[in-house]
Amino acid sequence: RKEVEQDPGPFNVPEGATVAFNCTYSNSASQSFFWYRQDCRKEPKLLMSVYSSGNEDGRFTAQLNRASQYISLLIRDSKLSDSATYLCVVTQTGANNLFFGTGTRLTVIP
Amino acid sequence: EPEVTQTPSHQVTQMGQEVILRCVPISNHLYFYWYRQILGQKVEFLVSFYNNEISEKSEIFDDQFSVERPDGSNFTLKIRSTKLEDSAMYFCASIGDRGASNSPLHFGNGTRLTVT
Repeated sequence: RKEVEQDPGPFNVPEGATVAFNCTYSNSASQSFFWYRQDCRKEPKLLMSVYSSGNEDGRFTAQLNRASQYISLLIRDSKLSDSATYLCVVTQTGANNLFFGTGTRLTVIP
Repeated sequence: EPEVTQTPSHQVTQMGQEVILRCVPISNHLYFYWYRQILGQKVEFLVSFYNNEISEKSEIFDDQFSVERPDGSNFTLKIRSTKLEDSAMYFCASIGDRGASNSPLHFGNGTRLTVT
């Protein structure tokens, strides 16, 4: 069973749309949760951390449901520049590395 | 903003040859990592390094791989005898004093390794 699972997409949405990505993780001992963004052939870059109470950063909202082992990312008012692959990333208590999902590819269309 | 830098950006090598990928982590960081990403696949953990020794490694990181921090700034990944399946993007990353379970990683821009 994969540590982190994501719908690979692709998601093709028009500018201004709202889009949501989901992610599930298998290890209940998972401790920290992040969304990273990766542009084509570039390094992953931190988009936002995900906190238990949910958190928002501008047009981006992240939610965590520990009971269901589920993380989500909501993007409102999509921009062309949001086109990228969004990586769900999880760490585990006592582990010193990150587990990456395969990523969800988003294309925002003019 | 300080950055993790990697060289070279692209390395082409023949099967069986040794390669060394170089990284300069952010200067006050304490934890260092190598990840790889085969084209079209997910980012995979290889190894973490702390206090001048390997702290964790994955199944991918077999005897063909080694890491070194030869001085106070560089962090290298060596592949002794490259195989075709080693072709991938290799990312170096570093983090401050709290480890990956508490803080996000800062990634370098990667070295694309092509084994022919």
